[in-house]
Amino acid sequence: GAGVSQSPSNKVTEKGKDVELRCDPISGHTALYWYRQRLGQGLEFLIYFQGNSAPDKSGLPSDRFSAERTGESVSTLTIQRTQQEDSAVYLCASSLLAGAGANVLTFGAGSRLTVL
Amino acid sequence: GEDVEQSLFLSVREGDSSVINCTYTDSSSTYLYWYKQEPGAGLQLLTYIFSNMDMKQDQRLTVLLNKKDKHLSLRIADTQTGDSAIYFCAESSSAGAGSYQLTFGKGTKLSVIP
Repeated sequence: GAGVSQSPSNKVTEKGKDVELRCDPISGHTALYWYRQRLGQGLEFLIYFQGNSAPDKSGLPSDRFSAERTGESVSTLTIQRTQQEDSAVYLCASSLLAGAGANVLTFGAGSRLTVL
Repeated sequence: GEDVEQSLFLSVREGDSSVINCTYTDSSSTYLYWYKQEPGAGLQLLTYIFSNMDMKQDQRLTVLLNKKDKHLSLRIADTQTGDSAIYFCAESSSAGAGSYQLTFGKGTKLSVIP
């Protein structure tokens, strides 16, 4: 697509429920990132996918968080047994090539998650 | 670990210049970036600078880099109300597996007073 598309744009859930967030990267972008943005905070790196390489999961805050990506297309971020501290905007970004030259990320509009 | 610091707020009058400052700690930073986030939107890349450059200018935007002091600034000339947004400084390094990661600051909220 023309840009990075994320869904849902807003999600309100009850504590303890599971949620799934979706990201459609720009076609042809091999690298895909998930970031978390808490209110008044910077971007917190969660996970990185590059082609068929093993993802870098070093930023996932707990084992309740997981993410998958099929090839170089759609990615889903799953949060199990949500907690109130999971409330944040979850941003997805993709880039054409990582590791060589400037790494220009294109961001989606984000999925705002509110856990009651 | 690597850290990127920014002041949280800046307020300027329309037509004045805005200067947003950023400091970083990673001495192996190779690229430094400025992103803009408007309300309800994702981050949009404004500009970036390679670490061996001191300055980069792009229309109303001027980026200054002092690598010795690890200080980066973004100057917006003739600031307009449409420039009101949160501006994020970010850096990436060439250090091994971290080369694909960008470390972001907390963002500076720019308010432009008409």
